[in-house]
Amino acid sequence: QSALTQPASVSGSPGQSITISCTGTSSDVGSYNLVSWYQQHPGKAPKLMIYEVSKRPSGVSNRFSGSKSGNTASLTISGLQAEDEADYHCCSYAGSGTYVFGSGTKVTVL
Amino acid sequence: VQLQESGPGLVKPSGTLSLTCAVSGGSISSRNWWSWVRQPPGKGLEWIGEMYHSGSTNYNPSLKSRVIMSVDKSKNQFSLTLSSVTAADTAVYYCARRDSGLDYWGQGTLVTVSS
Repeated sequence: QSALTQPASVSGSPGQSITISCTGTSSDVGSYNLVSWYQQHPGKAPKLMIYEVSKRPSGVSNRFSGSKSGNTASLTISGLQAEDEADYHCCSYAGSGTYVFGSGTKVTVL
Repeated sequence: VQLQESGPGLVKPSGTLSLTCAVSGGSISSRNWWSWVRQPPGKGLEWIGEMYHSGSTNYNPSLKSRVIMSVDKSKNQFSLTLSSVTAADTAVYYCARRDSGLDYWGQGTLVTVSS
């Protein structure tokens, strides 16, 4: 069970859209629609932003959206804002009751 | 729902790490799984495992031989025990509730493995 692959960093200017990829295998991301995304500000606990690939919890801005194609899931942040600067982590069900996280991506707002 | 981790912040190598997560504002006997996640300094998140109030557990295969999770319904809390620790187990440990995703998290507690 290896960590899902995410880019180490992604950056964008305010108002732009960015996309973070999360690449797994046919044993995790590719087999289940159980991918979630978490936002984490420095020194804080992670916050659930997307679950089941593309669903948003109540209270999460609709600027955040998720999708999946094959073994790769993606998180898109549209209308980038300064407050979006944080680390983002994907997570997928990997079968047999287990889960695996991604390597994490640092988003910088230029 | 609020979760709060507690336990020693320093554990000796080869020793046992023990943490407890107190749940308030909700019942640990609800239809949710209760999880542990850790984050080594400057690194990503790692799923440790989860348990249901019935006692059912799922563990990360890479940690399975060293992990035990348990629940205390009378105190509305659940616990993590990790044995034979090394410096590689130094991390911030979080407890969390899993509903559709990990929707409630504790603030995290730093555990350092050092002599």
